Amino acid sequence: QQQVKQSPQSLIVQKGGISIINCAYENTAFDYFPWYQQFPGKGPALLIAIRPDVSEKKEGRFTISFNKSAKQFSLHIMDSQPGDSATYFCAARGGATNKLIFGTGTLLAVQP
Amino acid sequence: KAGVTQTPRYLIKTRGQQVTLSCSPISGHRSVSWYQQTPGQGLQFLFEYFSETQRNKGNFPGRFSGRQFSNSRSEMNVSTLELGDSALYLCASSWLSSRLTDTQYFGPGTRLTVL
Repeated sequence: QQQVKQSPQSLIVQKGGISIINCAYENTAFDYFPWYQQFPGKGPALLIAIRPDVSEKKEGRFTISFNKSAKQFSLHIMDSQPGDSATYFCAARGGATNKLIFGTGTLLAVQP
Repeated sequence: KAGVTQTPRYLIKTRGQQVTLSCSPISGHRSVSWYQQTPGQGLQFLFEYFSETQRNKGNFPGRFSGRQFSNSRSEMNVSTLELGDSALYLCASSWLSSRLTDTQYFGPGTRLTVL
């Protein structure tokens, strides 16, 4: 119940295309869903986050779509750029703890 | 404003040894969490400290321990190192105890290699 399932494991997108990464969770006590971006040799950096009281949040080219009834959320990267090539992690937090439960990560490669 | 800093950045140890990793949170942040990142298990929560008290603990053996000082700096210790402890150890800090504003900011990590 503590797991967050993330797919796909890897993704190749052409420059200018849309990258879509999906996550699913089981624990209905989760109330905070961030996405992190990690470049090689760096720690994860918060990209965007959403709470379950909204269905969508947009920040620049990055959008989170949230489906509470399906217990799924996804990251959309519009107009993907080579500089977006990184590993993306979804995460969830809630219940009686502040710890983040991470998905397994998606390695995104944006081809020029 | 300086980010989360971790020292050392790289460490090589042998089985059976112990190691101490250090984390300095962003100025003003009082919560520090530690995560282990491996290719096989991904990012896993180790523990969280707030105001020098451990608030949460993940499912790791007792060989993994930590502490937080009055200036919010934190250390984690791993005793009797095993090959499987080779990983990137990440520290994350956050501002307040309130979960509503509790965005976690990660440091660059310490790469531990156990031979």
